[in-house]
Amino acid sequence: NAGVTQTPKFRILKIGQSMTLQCAQDMNHNYMYWYRQDPGMGLKLIYYSVGAGITDKGEVPNGYNVSRSTTEDFPLRLELAAPSQTSVYFCASSPGRYTQYFGPGTRLTVL
Amino acid sequence: GENVEQHPSTLSVQEGDSAVIKCTYSDSASNYFPWYKQELGKGPQLIIDIRSNVGEKKDQRIAVTLNKTAKHFSLHITETQPEDSAVYFCAILNANDYKLSFGAGTTVTVRA
Repeated sequence: NAGVTQTPKFRILKIGQSMTLQCAQDMNHNYMYWYRQDPGMGLKLIYYSVGAGITDKGEVPNGYNVSRSTTEDFPLRLELAAPSQTSVYFCASSPGRYTQYFGPGTRLTVL
Repeated sequence: GENVEQHPSTLSVQEGDSAVIKCTYSDSASNYFPWYKQELGKGPQLIIDIRSNVGEKKDQRIAVTLNKTAKHFSLHITETQPEDSAVYFCAILNANDYKLSFGAGTTVTVRA
């Protein structure tokens, strides 16, 4: 199993541009999550999903959107990128409500 | 998210010594307490976790202790090695909505 994969690894955006961060898992996990990690801070939950077709907001959802059309994929969409969205983004998946498995992250810079 | 305080923010230890990181929380409904290790340029990896019905759990050189009355839990690393150098995060699970809330992290450096 590849586990949780994320693309791209790095990206630089200009203010106002849009992009989609991709996340996929091959473990048939129902639960998937998006976090952002700012320097010196813990992870903040952006959005999560408990199964295909079901998504819900986390702690910091403003400026982001998600969709979950399949069990495997959970893309995160940034519309109108802002410098405040410069961060490292992690996707995670879980077979239930406890242990979460994280991807390698996407480092995003908005200039 | 729920408030989780993690201390210290940085920790430097001599190889072979022990390292202890402590987290305190306020939500008495929390029932799951994992610890994650994050190496440079990688995603967090679960190293040990404990449920609310257990006071201590050990896995080789790492252990976690939980005091639900005082609302704190700690990570203990014994006989530290250079490969233990990383950032460690504690987290708590909100029993009502099953979301993880993370501490701010502890950067551990093991000096050879």
